[in-house]
Amino acid sequence: RKEVEQDPGPFNVPEGATVAFNCTYSNSASQSFFWYRQDCRKEPKLLMSVYSSGNEDGRFTAQLNRASQYISLLIRDSKLSDSATYLCVVNFGGSQGNLIFGKGTKLSVKP
Amino acid sequence: EPEVTQTPSHQVTQMGQEVILRCVPISNHLYFYWYRQILGQKVEFLVSFYNNEISEKSEIFDDQFSVERPDGSNFTLKIRSTKLEDSAMYFCASTPPGGGYNEQFFGPGTRLTVL
Repeated sequence: RKEVEQDPGPFNVPEGATVAFNCTYSNSASQSFFWYRQDCRKEPKLLMSVYSSGNEDGRFTAQLNRASQYISLLIRDSKLSDSATYLCVVNFGGSQGNLIFGKGTKLSVKP
Repeated sequence: EPEVTQTPSHQVTQMGQEVILRCVPISNHLYFYWYRQILGQKVEFLVSFYNNEISEKSEIFDDQFSVERPDGSNFTLKIRSTKLEDSAMYFCASTPPGGGYNEQFFGPGTRLTVL
């Protein structure tokens, strides 16, 4: 069974805070990992891919632990514009790449 | 920047009616997908399409659903006889050569309301 689990939140944090989201996935043969961002009633948009060695893009850092089947996203120095739902997304294999989404973690950054 | 487009943005239909949702993927992309998101729930995979045929489909994608790429640019999702539970946001996505290892680009979605 292909499942992606996330803490649904909501996370309510002040501007400037550091916040971390976690995600677990069910299949150790999973191939590709992503964090997408979804604003209310909008389409998902890629925030970043997640690589085995971990990767950073500005204030965002993603980590992957294949042994524990665990993915994380760290947001430093939160901005009001970071308020959104963050979706953990896994391609469980194959170039056809149908994505399996977590339910998302809602983040609300307050002034 | 190229984007995936979808029409209509909102479709209201009566139960039992057929609907066709339309998508124009990004022009050099080769892999196409439909997903749906029921309000308050997660995004769910419906079907993937490559080389003019279905690659994979989920349990949701039953005989009431079909997809087509009629003219090399449009990619359509047809629901033959809509049910109340088909009410959802339907997202089209596409990805370039290399397939699902790459980012999937999502369209803005069509909100389907079945009355």
